[in-house]
Amino acid sequence: SQTIHQWPATLVQPVGSPLSLECTVEGTSNPNLYWYRQAAGRGLQLLFYSVGIGQISSEVPQNLSASRPQDRQFILSSKKLLLSDSGFYLCAWSPSWGGSRGNEQFFGPGTRLTVL
Amino acid sequence: AQSVTQLDSHVSVSEGTPVLLRCNYSSSYSPSLFWYVQHPNKGLQLLLKYTSAATLVKGINGFEAEFKKSETSFHLTKPSAHMSDAAEYFCVVSDGSGGYQKVTFGTGTKLQVIP
Repeated sequence: SQTIHQWPATLVQPVGSPLSLECTVEGTSNPNLYWYRQAAGRGLQLLFYSVGIGQISSEVPQNLSASRPQDRQFILSSKKLLLSDSGFYLCAWSPSWGGSRGNEQFFGPGTRLTVL
Repeated sequence: AQSVTQLDSHVSVSEGTPVLLRCNYSSSYSPSLFWYVQHPNKGLQLLLKYTSAATLVKGINGFEAEFKKSETSFHLTKPSAHMSDAAEYFCVVSDGSGGYQKVTFGTGTKLQVIP
């Protein structure tokens, strides 16, 4: 079976510090990978998605970047955090092949980031 | 283009009474529709999905939803609320059928269950 991991679970960082959040998927190959941010009282905003190693697409301009150094590893980074980067960050994967399960996304447990 | 509207940001029900969470969508293609549940500080869990098969979809924990194309709705229901149902629920629309799926999330409905 497939599992998705995120770490850390919670993080408190000062403004201007760097950020690295990691997401890994097990039990599948060549997944589509996604980073979402959920701000308090708002829905999920898609930040980045990736359909393969080294292939990153950004949905919105922001202070963050993403990388996919391995097939099942997705990293969210920032060089200098802003207060507005606070939120709940969720990683998700979906199968890249077709079929009835082809467009379902599976979510990780999330990382709660607080920027002070 | 696709969009999804969750008509209620908060819903409060008494334990043992029916639950109705409303969702309307728009999509240029035949959409797939999903309901996810999120408990506090947790990831999202899929409750059920519609992918152009039966219009009445049954999910986990006694939830079900009916796809009504004429009304562009996909409301989530449960006959009898349980305390453990208290959570936030997201309606999601997707017009992908494989590969990268463009999905759009609703803004969520927080369900409160009163003992």
